[in-house]
Amino acid sequence: EVQLLESGGGLVQPGGSLRLSCAASGLTFSSYAMNWVRQAPGKGLEWVSGISDSGGSTNYADSVRGRFTISRDNSKNTLYLQMNSVRAEDTAVYYCAKVEYGRGWDRWGQGTLVTVSS
Amino acid sequence: EIVLTQSPGTLSLSPGERATLSCRASQSVSSSYLAWYQQKPGQAPRLLIYGASSRATGIPDRFSGSGSGTDFTLTISRLEPEDFAVYYCQQYGTSPITFGPGTKVDIK
Repeated sequence: EVQLLESGGGLVQPGGSLRLSCAASGLTFSSYAMNWVRQAPGKGLEWVSGISDSGGSTNYADSVRGRFTISRDNSKNTLYLQMNSVRAEDTAVYYCAKVEYGRGWDRWGQGTLVTVSS
Repeated sequence: EIVLTQSPGTLSLSPGERATLSCRASQSVSSSYLAWYQQKPGQAPRLLIYGASSRATGIPDRFSGSGSGTDFTLTISRLEPEDFAVYYCQQYGTSPITFGPGTKVDIK
């Protein structure tokens, strides 16, 4: 069974840094593009960043470009999101999601909460 | 950026009724790369429909999707108690990937 498990969330001060991880199991991780999506409390879904299966191609939402970095370690079956210079508006549950090429995002983790506050 | 608009914002229906949810895009969605997700409180989104009209694995056939270009519809033929949730459309054909604001289907 495919499982995605996020970790690394928590309380961070404005301007601080945090690294989120998404550990994948039950799949050939290196075969799939991956994405990070966030959801602020009581709000809708917002795409944050995506990465190709090899890690050679990345994309970012304008709201995080230059502050966040997506990466992956296919030898460890793990996706990362390095969050720098965080702001209050980055407060959200962060989900990782697996891309089934051309068929939507068919597996999501349970999410990890990031709270940016002093 | 492709902006997705969903209507209505809230749909109040009874179990057994038909639900029709709309998603309109600000420009044509590439290759019908339009998906629908269901989200219940405290849970991650679940993929229902991809490619505008294809059901994801394990999704009951009471869920159906239709549309192309800029106008898409999710239909739930007969609402079951477990279907009361928030539904999001997503376009994944053009960067940046965007989601609609969601339609909440609640019990009348």
